[in-house]
Amino acid sequence: GEDVEQSLFLSVREGDSSVINCTYTDSSSTYLYWYKQEPGAGLQLLTYIFSNMDMKQDQRLTVLLNKKDKHLSLRIADTQTGDSAIYFCARNQAGTALIFGKGTTLSVSS
Amino acid sequence: EPEVTQTPSHQVTQMGQEVILRCVPISNHLYFYWYRQILGQKVEFLVSFYNNEISEKSEIFDDQFSVERPDGSNFTLKIRSTKLEDSAMYFCASLRDQGRETQYFGPGTRLLVL
Repeated sequence: GEDVEQSLFLSVREGDSSVINCTYTDSSSTYLYWYKQEPGAGLQLLTYIFSNMDMKQDQRLTVLLNKKDKHLSLRIADTQTGDSAIYFCARNQAGTALIFGKGTTLSVSS
Repeated sequence: EPEVTQTPSHQVTQMGQEVILRCVPISNHLYFYWYRQILGQKVEFLVSFYNNEISEKSEIFDDQFSVERPDGSNFTLKIRSTKLEDSAMYFCASLRDQGRETQYFGPGTRLLVL
């Protein structure tokens, strides 16, 4: 199976919360990341979490890490149409290559 | 805020031709990376570079690929003889030092091989 797995699509209404999930297999990962990619654009780092943390909150974004289950989630509160994009989960050890999931396409309808 | 830049933004080439993709990493960064994303697929690691040598490479990075830091600012990816399957978006990234967590990505070069 894939090293980093994500569901491919998520559709929500504007104003709702979005939760994007990710699982990974390598427990030696030091950092876990969420990147956002808008159509035709590059990769924008949204947030990251160090593996010894359970949760990180940054404005509308909440990252939860369950290290035992190797499960990472990104919650976007009050989702806006501008949040429509592909969200990539990624992991690495410090300074090493990032391993990405296939991305979750978030579609926000008004 | 400093950023990683890449040129060109788009390149079209004929199969078998050589291409050079250019990146200018953030000036005080020490680690450099190339990734690629085939249309509709995930981002894949190609190679990392530190202290003027390759530190890590993936199976994708075969003899057709090479990287170079020809001067103090540019970081290049060369594909010697392009194939149709090299068509992808190529991203450069840089990292300040190994103790930092964040690789900063450039906007990408979209390569189309005909």
